Amino acid sequence: DSGVTQTPKHLITATGQRVTLRCSPRSGDLSVYWYQQSLDQGLQFLIQYYNGEERAKGNILERFSAQQFPDLHSELNLSSLELGDSALYFCASSKDRDYEQYFGPGTRLTVT
Amino acid sequence: GQQLNQSPQSMFIQEGEDVSMNCTSSSIFNTWLWYKQDPGEGPVLLIALYKAGELTSNGRLTAQFGITRKDSFLNISASIPSDVGIYFCAGQRNNDMRFGAGTRLTVKP
Repeated sequence: DSGVTQTPKHLITATGQRVTLRCSPRSGDLSVYWYQQSLDQGLQFLIQYYNGEERAKGNILERFSAQQFPDLHSELNLSSLELGDSALYFCASSKDRDYEQYFGPGTRLTVT
Repeated sequence: GQQLNQSPQSMFIQEGEDVSMNCTSSSIFNTWLWYKQDPGEGPVLLIALYKAGELTSNGRLTAQFGITRKDSFLNISASIPSDVGIYFCAGQRNNDMRFGAGTRLTVKP
């Protein structure tokens, strides 16, 4: 158990819909990262937050947004969903930049 | 960002054999991380490396941070069936985090 929690574990929704994925970092970690992993693909970095502020952006679509709340949990919002958004979405946390990242169990999103 | 160059892509070995995989990059990193991922699960951190030249072990696993800061390797000694999975490297420098495509390890009993 990495100490990072993610909910829900599975999510099935229709095209055009909007969903919210939730992540709670390990105790003491201020930084949260979001990643997308499509079938048999590597991890694609989406976005990073540190202590409530956006710190780095990767290949995140405009239809996607995220935020980190004062209690340090983070949410990833995915809107106008398309079939191609079906993937595993992982959250990871770390103390700060250049420290090891611990991954959550992921949320499997299926868009039908 | 661009992926790291990880090799080999896959390995088929007999139980008891040693395994070696590596990652290279054209960029330097401050941190090298090695993870193992089982299908549908989250990556599990195996080893974290913070200094050029650092050699770190975790049980049967040993990893090194290359002296040029552009590469790292992971060795697994005396492999066992539960070592099966996908291993991938990650390099970090400030807000730049990149991953290797992974090495798929199969261990035959």
